[in-house]
Amino acid sequence: IAGITQAPTSQILAAGRRMTLRCTQDMRHNAMYWYRQDLGLGLRLIHYSNTAGTTGKGEVPDGYSVSRANTDDFPLTLASAVPSQTSVYFCASSDSLGGNDEQFFGPGTRLTVL
Amino acid sequence: GQNIDQPTEMTATEGAIVQINCTYQTSGFNGLFWYQQHAGEAPTFLSYNVLDGLEEKGRFSSFLSRSKGYSYLLLKELQMKDSASYLCAVREENYQLIWGAGTKLIIKP
Repeated sequence: IAGITQAPTSQILAAGRRMTLRCTQDMRHNAMYWYRQDLGLGLRLIHYSNTAGTTGKGEVPDGYSVSRANTDDFPLTLASAVPSQTSVYFCASSDSLGGNDEQFFGPGTRLTVL
Repeated sequence: GQNIDQPTEMTATEGAIVQINCTYQTSGFNGLFWYQQHAGEAPTFLSYNVLDGLEEKGRFSSFLSRSKGYSYLLLKELQMKDSASYLCAVREENYQLIWGAGTKLIIKP
């Protein structure tokens, strides 16, 4: 693979169910991010990680958790999904948190919670 | 508070020039990014400004005025493939990006 991949591409989920969105990058980037994108709103940061083993909260972390066991993988877990978590979720990575490092985005996961 | 404003939608003609404006109020400033996002796809990087002035990259240029909290993206010689949303994002003091809602650009032949 080249770049950043996400799985699944789309998912319909019953409210109350647990769901993990997967994200893998092969660029050896230190920093990784999870965003949600909703119509009429900008991308909103859920959680981030600036290096393997560390994570941080973004703008909208409630109801979500992440882990960063290694450099390549950054899964996002919804412990008990609610309809307001219906959104398109993008994973991104960059060489570092700062500077002019651009963020590279995965193709996104479209999640519908009923 | 944090706020990034962009026009919701703009229309332009193929071959013409269009300027997409972005104004921001954020907690500190560590650079401004422009991204392009085609419908149903992921955002892709276009430009980065951290100092005042104009950065030119082919048909696309980006301008920044930190004192005015203002940036614009200039697209020249518009092509149909430029139909997309253009996202403005500011990196704050904590290095997190705050994103505008995006400007949908419609190109007409």
